[in-house]
Amino acid sequence: KQEVTQIPAALSVPEGENLVLNCSFTDSAIYNLQWFRQDPGKGLTSLLLIQSSQREQTSGRLNASLDKSSGRSTLYIAASQPGDSATYLCAVNRSGGGADGLTFGKGTHLIIQP
Amino acid sequence: DAGVTQSPTHLIKTRGQQVTLRCSPKSGHDTVSWYQQALGQGPQFIFQYYEEEERQRGNFPDRFSGHQFPNYSSELNVNALLLGDSALYLCASSLYRVNSPLHFGNGTRLTVT
Repeated sequence: KQEVTQIPAALSVPEGENLVLNCSFTDSAIYNLQWFRQDPGKGLTSLLLIQSSQREQTSGRLNASLDKSSGRSTLYIAASQPGDSATYLCAVNRSGGGADGLTFGKGTHLIIQP
Repeated sequence: DAGVTQSPTHLIKTRGQQVTLRCSPKSGHDTVSWYQQALGQGPQFIFQYYEEEERQRGNFPDRFSGHQFPNYSSELNVNALLLGDSALYLCASSLYRVNSPLHFGNGTRLTVT
């Protein structure tokens, strides 16, 4: 059974710092890994999707890496801003053959102090 | 370009009742998935619909059922509600292919008393 773990569970840093969020998964037979952002009481916003054949994806100040063999992914946020405060979730696609159910971690609650 | 829309936004039900939640997918998407998110937890996959059929199902009892309509919109039905069914129910849409990113709605907050 696929399990996804995110460390740390919570993180508070001053504005302007670069930071790294970690995600690990137990079954390396994945098709892709997706990072999401969730604001309080809201749905999820897709940030980056890394296919299993890729090593990293970048979007603006965000960079996500994937090491499938070791079951790890990191989300790097550069020059953090108060607007980055949210819960960040990673999820893996546990099987292929079309869009499928994702297995999520519990998330990292991030607070950027102004 | 309308994103994923869900209704209602909030709902309060009594234990034992039945509830129906609704979802309209993002324009151009043909696949709808439903997730349950308890407080402080990551979302858990309930099931996925494509071409009006349930294609995949997570570890949820038969009290949870769904439907997809020809216009790709979807409903989630929960019968015999339990207190433990209280959660944020999220709908996500995508294309029916590997590596199609999921786009989520803002969810329906269900409270069972």
